[in-house]
Amino acid sequence: QVQLVQSGAEVKKPGASVKVSCKASGYTFSTYGMHWVRQAPGQSLEWMGWINAGHDSTRYSQKFQGRVTITRDTSASTAYMELSSLRSEDTAVYYCARYMVPTRGFDYWGQGTLVTVSS
Amino acid sequence: DIQMTQSPSSLSASVGDRVTITCRASQSISTYLNWYQHKPGIVPKLLIYGASGLQSGVPSRFSGSGSGTDFTLTISSLQPEDFATYYCQQTYSSFTFGPGTKVDIK
Repeated sequence: QVQLVQSGAEVKKPGASVKVSCKASGYTFSTYGMHWVRQAPGQSLEWMGWINAGHDSTRYSQKFQGRVTITRDTSASTAYMELSSLRSEDTAVYYCARYMVPTRGFDYWGQGTLVTVSS
Repeated sequence: DIQMTQSPSSLSASVGDRVTITCRASQSISTYLNWYQHKPGIVPKLLIYGASGLQSGVPSRFSGSGSGTDFTLTISSLQPEDFATYYCQQTYSSFTFGPGTKVDIK
């Protein structure tokens, strides 16, 4: 069965960076895309960017351009999301989600990683 | 950027009620519209893709319609497990989510 398992919770100081991992299993990693979505407390879901795991191409939300980097390691079936220059407003649960190209839907999600930014 | 709005922002309903949630895009997105269900402590779940396609495993009481800028998600007979927040998402240009509609118990 398809599973996306994310790395554990992080506490970071303002100005630092965080890197969250998302290990995939149960399918051929390179044949799907992987998106990253976050949800701040009391807020809606917010799309951050995605990577085509086969082509290693990326696309980012304008809001996060320059601060977010999404990478993948096909040998480890793992995607990564790194967010730099953290501020308190980046406190959120970060999700990875598998992308089904035919439907353009996010059909499987990781369990979420809480990132807390606090001095 | 395409902006998404949803109405209402919240609603109270009873088990068995028919519930309709509306989503509007700031410009035409054809049928590139998905719906997700999100419960506290549980990851979001894809319900509807392409405005009206039912995701595998999703009960048939969920249905979606619309094209262009106006879309609806309908739950034909609300069940106890349906109390959640529902988000629309456009995938026409980038992948913007709407603000959400919280469905709670009347």
